[in-house]
Amino acid sequence: EIVMTQSPATLSVSPGERATLSCRADQSVSSKLAWYQQKPGQAPRLLIYAASARATGIPARFSGSGSGTEFTLTISSLQSEDFAVYYCQQYNNWPLTFGGGTKVEIK
Amino acid sequence: EVQLVESGGGLVQPGGSLKLSCAASGFSFSTSDMNWVRQAPGKGLQWLSHISSSSTNIHYPDSVKGRFTISRDNAKNSLFLEMNSLRADDTAIYYCARVAGWLYFGDWGQGTLVTVTS
Repeated sequence: EIVMTQSPATLSVSPGERATLSCRADQSVSSKLAWYQQKPGQAPRLLIYAASARATGIPARFSGSGSGTEFTLTISSLQSEDFAVYYCQQYNNWPLTFGGGTKVEIK
Repeated sequence: EVQLVESGGGLVQPGGSLKLSCAASGFSFSTSDMNWVRQAPGKGLQWLSHISSSSTNIHYPDSVKGRFTISRDNAKNSLFLEMNSLRADDTAIYYCARVAGWLYFGDWGQGTLVTVTS
């Protein structure tokens, strides 16, 4: 099983600032990496797939990068609606696995 | 508009069984691969099972293999998850999710809560 590790667990950021979230796989997943956003009481929402492709309707302030084992989700200028938990997911191998999540909170 | 509506959750005793359903609408269900994902209270996401559009390919993680069974009825636009030998650590919100492109999840239901307790 591929283990996905996200860091930091919690990120405190002021509105308007940049947020950088990390996701690491313990073996290569190529570019088969997705990012999701989850707000309290809601289902996850797809943000990024194929490591860097934005899903439909996702604002340009969200960007993804990386390949192999190291991935980054960047939110260029945090808006109030961006404070949430973010998960990465690899889909290169069975079983599909998620990272533990990064909570982005207001500083 | 894509809609996925889970049902069938509730309270069940340890060792018991439950069958979850997911009613799909707003897209071509019969040509879509589907999955179940769960989230324990206050915890992260855990993938549970995958079924291809024609039910020919089915996958589970080892943690639920043999206890959980995924199935679908394309004529009724419905996805199912049968869960047996339930344990306290199966307590979670269970989501159905549609595969978009490769094996990532483009659409999610609102989830159904399963609580395993005596």
